[in-house]
Amino acid sequence: SQQGEEDPQALSIQEGENATMNCSYKTSINNLQWYRQNSGRGLVHLILIRSNEREKHSGRLRVTLDTSKKSSSLLITASRAADTASYFCATGKNGNKLVFGAGTILRVKS
Amino acid sequence: SAVISQKPSRDICQRGTSLTIQCQVDSQVTMMFWYRQQPGQSLTLIATANQGSEATYESGFVIDKFPISRPNLTFSTLTVSNMSPEDSSIYLCSVSGPEGYTFGSGTRLTVV
Repeated sequence: SQQGEEDPQALSIQEGENATMNCSYKTSINNLQWYRQNSGRGLVHLILIRSNEREKHSGRLRVTLDTSKKSSSLLITASRAADTASYFCATGKNGNKLVFGAGTILRVKS
Repeated sequence: SAVISQKPSRDICQRGTSLTIQCQVDSQVTMMFWYRQQPGQSLTLIATANQGSEATYESGFVIDKFPISRPNLTFSTLTVSNMSPEDSSIYLCSVSGPEGYTFGSGTRLTVV
């Protein structure tokens, strides 16, 4: 069964706006990762945040992790049409198995 | 990070037949993971493939339906056996790295 739940399920914004996606999980984790998937292709790893980290940045991406609330957020700033994709969070623990959330479909309109 | 070559990228198969998906990694890895992504859904782990031992299957997946081979540290195959339309999905292989996982480009399978 899926551990993570993401919201919103779908998000539509204008180019230049910020996009925020949230992820919640149920059990303890070693790390949480965010992935992007374009049009049903392979997944691209975006960022990994460890359980002892609270915030991490990578370019236009900002990820936060709140282990007390078992939640994470992914912020994409100054969005571009090329950011249109599905975004998944995944949690890792115990032997490298990744458990994926349901995903958020992001559409950036130009 | 590792680079994975996965093939075929897509296939349309008749029900009752089998399809073998291959993943080649450009470096040696201990574990390879196989996922299924049903239409409009997230990814579900099918099994973990270790070199030199039997694959470990997740609940709901069995070896007879999804046999896996792992002949060496850079290669693995997943076979989808006796296919039915319900097997229509994207199948992805993956390997772990220090900063996250690398995925193959996926195999989009349609069973008719």
